[in-house]
This record gives sequence, structure tokens and C-alpha cells, in this order.
Amino acid sequence: KNQVEQSPQSLIILEGKNCTLQCNYTVSPFSNLRWYKQDTGRGPVSLTIMTFSENTKSNGRYTATLDADTKQSSLHITASQLSDSASYICVVSAESNYQLIWGAGTKLIIKP
Amino acid sequence: DTAVSQTPKYLVTQMGNDKSIKCEQNLGHDTMYWYKQDSKKFLKIMFSYNNKELIINETVPNRFSPKSPDKAHLNLHINSLELGDSAVYFCASSQGTGVSWYEKLFFGSGTQLSVL
Repeated sequence: KNQVEQSPQSLIILEGKNCTLQCNYTVSPFSNLRWYKQDTGRGPVSLTIMTFSENTKSNGRYTATLDADTKQSSLHITASQLSDSASYICVVSAESNYQLIWGAGTKLIIKP
Repeated sequence: DTAVSQTPKYLVTQMGNDKSIKCEQNLGHDTMYWYKQDSKKFLKIMFSYNNKELIINETVPNRFSPKSPDKAHLNLHINSLELGDSAVYFCASSQGTGVSWYEKLFFGSGTQLSVL
């Protein structure tokens, strides 16, 4: 069964600190993996999209990694800011059947 | 100049009523979607339209009926609302099927539906 699991479910860190969010997937056939940021009361916004041949992709202070062999991805946030408080959702694309498999998200809270 | 806009933002209604949510995108995308986000925050696809034609129709009660008058609009009509329909409904759009590495999904801000 195609699944995307994220950990931790929630995370609280102090402003300025770094953090890493995890995503494990069992999706086949794999096409690409995406990370979305969802602010409270808003729709998700794309942060990165990676194919199986890419193992790192950055977007400002956000760096995503992908290990297609172990089917794991991580999203590292550097020097966190209050505006990083949001849910971060991992999504895996199974292109052959036009599916996007969504994780439940990690709720990140940044405290001053 | 909101790329994907949906109305209303909030919808509070009684059980048994019929309601509609409207969505418009100005990105020139071919494909539009309706997603439901429940209290556990999972986003689940409900419908997908490509150039006004239905291409994805997940297991959704037939009380939910999408309508696409043109490729820039996808509305969602819900008949005989039930308590379990309470959720946030998101409209989204993409170029193509939305699953290829170059096809991002762009989401609206959501409609919070509360059925009393």
C-alpha cells in the first residue's frame, strides 16, 4: 500500500535553532518527492520537488534531502524564524497512476 | 492578484442544507482539484478536472458534485449536508496532471465548512 509517514508529529524549538523533519515512504513506482509548507488558515505552498536522481535541494533556509534507496527524505530548517511556524507536509508522486500520496504533516512551532 | 481564489472563506450551515463553494484560478492551468482536509490534517483528493473533464473521482458520496463551467473555474456543490462533512476544503490547480516533477500544485486559502 502506498504510504507516506512523517515524524515527529509535532515539534517545538526556540527561534534561531535548527531542526530536521523526517519523511519515510513506501510508494511505487516513485516519481518525485515534494515538501509543502502550510501556514495556519492557508493552503499548502510548495517548498521543493526532488526526483530520484537528486539527493539535495535547497530553497533559502530550507534544505531537503532524498535517499531513494532507503525511501527516506528529510527537511532541514536552518536558523529558524517565527514565520517558520507551520505544518510541513511530505508528498510523494506515483506518476504512473497519477497519484500524489500525502503525509499527515509535522506541526512546527517556533518560540521566541 | 490571487492565483487560486475560493469563496467563501467560512461557511456555517445546518444539517440537511445544500451549499456551494466556488473556485477560480488565473494561472492558465489545465487541471483543477478539490481536496478535503479533516481534523487530523490529512489532505485527501476528492476530484480532479482537466480541461473541464473529470479525471479523478475518489470515493466521495454522490452528495458532492463538482462542476467546471470552464477550465479556470471548478465549483463544488454539496447536497444534504451532514455533520461529517465539516472540514476545510481546498481548491488547487496545476499545469498538466500535477504529478510530474515540473508540475507544482497551487492551492487556494481553503473554505472552513462547519455543519451544525
